[in-house]
Amino acid sequence: DVKVTQSSRYLVKRTGEKVFLECVQDMDHENMFWYRQDPGLGLRLIYFSYDVKMKEKGDIPEGYSVSREKKERFSLILESASTNQTSMYLCASRPTTGSHHEQYFGPGTRLTVT
Amino acid sequence: GDSVTQMEGPVTLSEEAFLTINCTYTATGYPSLFWYVQYPGEGLQLLLKATKADDKGSNKGFEATYRKETTSFHLEKGSVQVSDSAVYFCALSDFGNTDKLIFGTGTRLQVFP
Repeated sequence: DVKVTQSSRYLVKRTGEKVFLECVQDMDHENMFWYRQDPGLGLRLIYFSYDVKMKEKGDIPEGYSVSREKKERFSLILESASTNQTSMYLCASRPTTGSHHEQYFGPGTRLTVT
Repeated sequence: GDSVTQMEGPVTLSEEAFLTINCTYTATGYPSLFWYVQYPGEGLQLLLKATKADDKGSNKGFEATYRKETTSFHLEKGSVQVSDSAVYFCALSDFGNTDKLIFGTGTRLQVFP
């Protein structure tokens, strides 16, 4: 069975803290993605990665960075958390490029920044 | 740029009612189209997909047909159940180097017994 796991389901952090969200997939997929989900806005792409050590900005990369040191792991980093980064964060992975391939999602991390 | 528009919710139905959730898209080229479902407290999972014009995707009694002439991919189910209560997202796969998924804003479905 396909599996994407995220390190935490719920997280509460203070403004200014450095926050790490971890995502691991066990499907040997090349592509991994980080989205944030907000009511009325759907899912918006933050960053994605084609391969180890590769990263590309998505639609809303400001305030975020990512790391992909191993194929199975893709980390999202909030260098200095702010209240407007309170959101649901979803990680996804997909096999190599090809528009017909679906993305497989993790359960999400609900982050609250106070 | 490419975009997806889906009807706003919530959609409230009684059990066994007919469901339609509208989705239209704007895209260059020939994208693949997807419906994802998010049950309460969970991540998204693929419900169905269609990769070319006139394809019909189907799963768990849900259907959607890729209509290139009307740029639509409406989701339908003949008889909904309480367990279908969830948020439904229409998405297209950006045709090009990145193959990103572009999502609609989601439609919440509530089914009452």
